[in-house]
Amino acid sequence: DGGITQSPKYLFRKEGQNVTLSCEQNLNHDAMYWYRQDPGQGLRLIYYSQIVNDFQKGDIAEGYSVSREKKESFPLTVTSAQKNPTAFYLCASSIGGSLSGNTIYFGEGSWLTVV
Amino acid sequence: SQQGEEDPQALSIQEGENATMNCSYKTSINNLQWYRQNSGRGLVHLILIRSNEREKHSGRLRVTLDTSKKSSSLLITASRAADTASYFCAKGREETSGSRLTFGEGTQLTVNP
Repeated sequence: DGGITQSPKYLFRKEGQNVTLSCEQNLNHDAMYWYRQDPGQGLRLIYYSQIVNDFQKGDIAEGYSVSREKKESFPLTVTSAQKNPTAFYLCASSIGGSLSGNTIYFGEGSWLTVV
Repeated sequence: SQQGEEDPQALSIQEGENATMNCSYKTSINNLQWYRQNSGRGLVHLILIRSNEREKHSGRLRVTLDTSKKSSSLLITASRAADTASYFCAKGREETSGSRLTFGEGTQLTVNP
């Protein structure tokens, strides 16, 4: 089935650790995105990539890093510099690279908790 | 200030009733999208309405856009318990720095059987 797969679903991070969230899509979409969602809140854009080997910072990129070495993969690393990483992380993709004009397809999300 | 503000924050209705959710915004947009999110899951796209459109339908969903009032509404007719979810509007616009899609904080809809 075509779609976006995020893993793991649940992840616990100790203080000072880096953790990486995986995102894979088999939709052949050019653009991929990472959003953060805090309880009862909307989505905030962390990073996005419109083509392979290129990515841009979103609204809350500090403390996060990404790579886009393959079209189908867009992993997100939450570094120790992110002081409040506990949140629900959503990966998404779209056919075109415009953030504004395309339908966004979402994965099922990953819950990250700092312990 | 919050873009794509939604109203109400929470709505509780009985099955069979209609549910109306509203979204307002402050700056001009190219389009406005509505998404649905079941608890703890990803978002699912419902409808995209462009700035030159006034109304779109999809099944039991009707979306309107009033650019003069900078507002949009999502109407779900004959609601079902399975419609219980959070509904988000997302405003798409082009800026000199690039395109943007800004999500609101959502409306939590509860449909009671």
